[in-house]
Amino acid sequence: GQNIDQPTEMTATEGAIVQINCTYQTSGFNGLFWYQQHAGEAPTFLSYNVLDGLEEKGRFSSFLSRSKGYSYLLLKELQMKDSASYLCAPMDSNYQLIWGAGTKLIIKP
Amino acid sequence: IAGITQAPTSQILAAGRRMTLRCTQDMRHNAMYWYRQDLGLGLRLIHYSNTAGTTGKGEVPDGYSVSRANTDDFPLTLASAVPSQTSVYFCASSDAESSSYNEQFFGPGTRLTVL
Repeated sequence: GQNIDQPTEMTATEGAIVQINCTYQTSGFNGLFWYQQHAGEAPTFLSYNVLDGLEEKGRFSSFLSRSKGYSYLLLKELQMKDSASYLCAPMDSNYQLIWGAGTKLIIKP
Repeated sequence: IAGITQAPTSQILAAGRRMTLRCTQDMRHNAMYWYRQDLGLGLRLIHYSNTAGTTGKGEVPDGYSVSRANTDDFPLTLASAVPSQTSVYFCASSDAESSSYNEQFFGPGTRLTVL
């Protein structure tokens, strides 16, 4: 079967760094997406990894290891507006996104 | 219209009633999707359409139907609503035909309550 595993909730301090991990098992693999979703809003695209390694985009970076079925999202210089849920979504052999339940990130001053 | 829109924003519905959730995109994307999102669960795919005139079943299709008469519109119908269909419904689209890259763009969602 297909399975995505992420922590349910994490707490971090404004200005700090946080790493949100995601492990996955899918039928085939065609890349992995991270989305951000603020409460009551729609998910929005953050990053996409298809090759092993780190993709950096400003304060956000995403890492992928295909052999380990593992990805993480790294958020630096945390701001209060980063309080949101972060959704890990690998793409299976049919190019369908398989969604994790998301990690709720709480930022404290 | 800019991007992808959904209507209504929210709805309270009596069980047994028929309801159609509307979704329209102006990005000329080939693929469209309907998801439901429930607390503690990930987005679950209800139905999808890879191109106008075709549709497919997702993970949780029972109780729902869709049509794709043209590129822009992808309505979702609940033939006879039940309380377990209380959820937030998101429509999404992607330019899936251009490459294997399948970034999905989401509408603002419809919050549906079935009593």
